[in-house]
Order: sequence, then C-alpha cells, then structure tokens
Amino acid sequence: QQPVQSPQAVILREGEDAVINCSSSKALYSVHWYRQKHGEAPVFLMILLKGGEQKGHEKISASFNEKKQQSSLYLTASQLSYSGTYFCGTETFGNEKLTFGTGTRLTIIP
Amino acid sequence: DTEVTQTPKHLVMGMTNKKSLKCEQHMGHRAMYWYKQKAKKPPELMFVYSYEKLSINESVPSRFSPECPNSSLLNLHLHALQPEDSALYLCASRSSGNNEQFFGPGTRLTVL
Repeated sequence: QQPVQSPQAVILREGEDAVINCSSSKALYSVHWYRQKHGEAPVFLMILLKGGEQKGHEKISASFNEKKQQSSLYLTASQLSYSGTYFCGTETFGNEKLTFGTGTRLTIIP
Repeated sequence: DTEVTQTPKHLVMGMTNKKSLKCEQHMGHRAMYWYKQKAKKPPELMFVYSYEKLSINESVPSRFSPECPNSSLLNLHLHALQPEDSALYLCASRSSGNNEQFFGPGTRLTVL
C-alpha cells in the first residue's frame, strides 16, 4: 500500500521553513527521500535506516519514527532551488523494493 | 561517481514497433530496477534484478520484457505497446552497502 504524504502541496517564500510528512501502514525498514524537478528524474536526498535516526544534508534534514511508521523531511531557510516534488520511498523488512509516496509539490517564491 | 545512464532520452514508436531501452551503471551495484512514471504521479516499480537475476516482476504485461546481460547493463525490450504505455521510464541502481538508490535521467516514451 502506498505511503501517504502531507501536505499535497505547499507554497513558501524564500527563507521560510517547511515540513513534509510520510506515513505508512506497514512496519518500515528504511525511508528514502527524493526531489524531482519538472521533466527530470528523481534525485536522491537521503536514506534513513534506523528507527529514530535523523540525518542532515545542508539545510535539509529528516527523521524516522519507526514506532509511528512515519518520516518527516525538514527544509529550513528554503531556497528557490528547493522547488520541486518531494517523494518518500519506503521499504519493508525482507523486501528489496521501494514503494513511493503520493508526493508533495513544493513551490518557493522570491 | 553516482551516475546511472539511460538511452535514448526520447523515443517515439508505433504500436507495431519493437524497440529497446538501455540502462548502464558502473558503480558495482548489484540491484537494478525499472520504473514507469506518469505525469504528476510517483514512480511505479516494474522489475527488479538482483545479482543479474529477475527477482521481482510487478505483474507487468508481457509486451515489456526486461533483460540483464551483465551486472552493469539493464535493457527493457518493448513490443506491441499501447498509447497508454506512454510515460517516463526510469532505471535505478542500488548499493548493497548503504542501500542508497540512484535514478538515471529516464527515457521519455511516446506510443502513437
């Protein structure tokens, strides 16, 4: 079953912060986050493998709550280049495939 | 180097044509994937190859035929496609070490 992301879409001014959530109905082994710009392929941002793990990548970080089967992506002081659609990809135990979430369209305006 | 390459970038084909999509990676990854993505939708898994063997087929119609000639190459053979098969076809490979999965740039397929 497909993970659900929220919000579906968000518009921010440059410099504002955003949180994107990803919820699964299944117990998760890992969560992957990607950003996809229009007409391009998804670009890998980060992977979270352990419950409670947090990772950071410049001003983009993420957390993974294994008990709640949820992950959140945090974008701080957003830049114009952060615009795009963000997908989480979830992996269950013993299964080597990613199931992608519903997507969150992020638009950053000057 | 985290590069996955795909050819061609664009492909237009008729419903009676036979064509192939090609994917290549030289990162030593042992898992390779084909995904299909329609506009404004997430990527949908089609096939998974693990150590050059087909490990997952997500009930894909037989008009799509994958092939893994060696550990660096992945092909997708197309035959008698339908207009609804028009989409972005993405190849990906995954590291067995840290599980990071990288996508190629995709092939934009149009079936007339």
